[in-house]
Amino acid sequence: EADIYQTPRYLVIGTGKKITLECSQTMGHDKMYWYQQDPGMELHLIHYSYGVNSTEKGDLSSESTVSRIRTEHFPLTLESARPSHTSQYLCASSEAGLADTQYFGPGTRLTVL
Amino acid sequence: SQKIEQNSEALNIQEGKTATLTCNYTNYSPAYLQWYRQDPGRGPVFLLLIRENEKEKRKERLKVTFDTTLKQSLFHITASQPADSATYLCALESSNYKLTFGKGTLLTVNP
Repeated sequence: EADIYQTPRYLVIGTGKKITLECSQTMGHDKMYWYQQDPGMELHLIHYSYGVNSTEKGDLSSESTVSRIRTEHFPLTLESARPSHTSQYLCASSEAGLADTQYFGPGTRLTVL
Repeated sequence: SQKIEQNSEALNIQEGKTATLTCNYTNYSPAYLQWYRQDPGRGPVFLLLIRENEKEKRKERLKVTFDTTLKQSLFHITASQPADSATYLCALESSNYKLTFGKGTLLTVNP
């Protein structure tokens, strides 16, 4: 079992609310990632970070933002949630270097009403 | 554009048989390929990695092959068990050490 944690596991909120999805890992990994996954669909990379103070947008455009102030922490924020943001959000981490295996958290299932 | 195809959305097999899942890709030249398992409502779990200069990799009942000429990887589970039922994802390095995942194949092993 990977030492990567996500909270909350489930979140139901109303349109327009600001939310932060938490992701923490205790493995000391430099690289961290956020993916979005709809049921039966592939994972889409929305943000990644190669270390502290490094953040990049992924392949899928997202209205969310991320920060990386500490190695172990990579939170994702939505300033104003909309129903189109309803999805599963998965956080992952990997060690720096080639062929890095990614370790995933359990995910946050977000529903915006 | 780069594309990953896992040729079956769903595969049903009988317990004890060998499951074979396929991953095809186009417009990639990956240095390695990875396979993950994902259970419903959970994050993927890494299973195996195979590099471009390796033809085959094994781990217990799992075997992966990688044919860079055919641009294809095969993932085998021998002596399959109901507990092997899950979605299996193929992932390729896309750029800057990022992974791109296929849609996955849902494997159901019937007792």
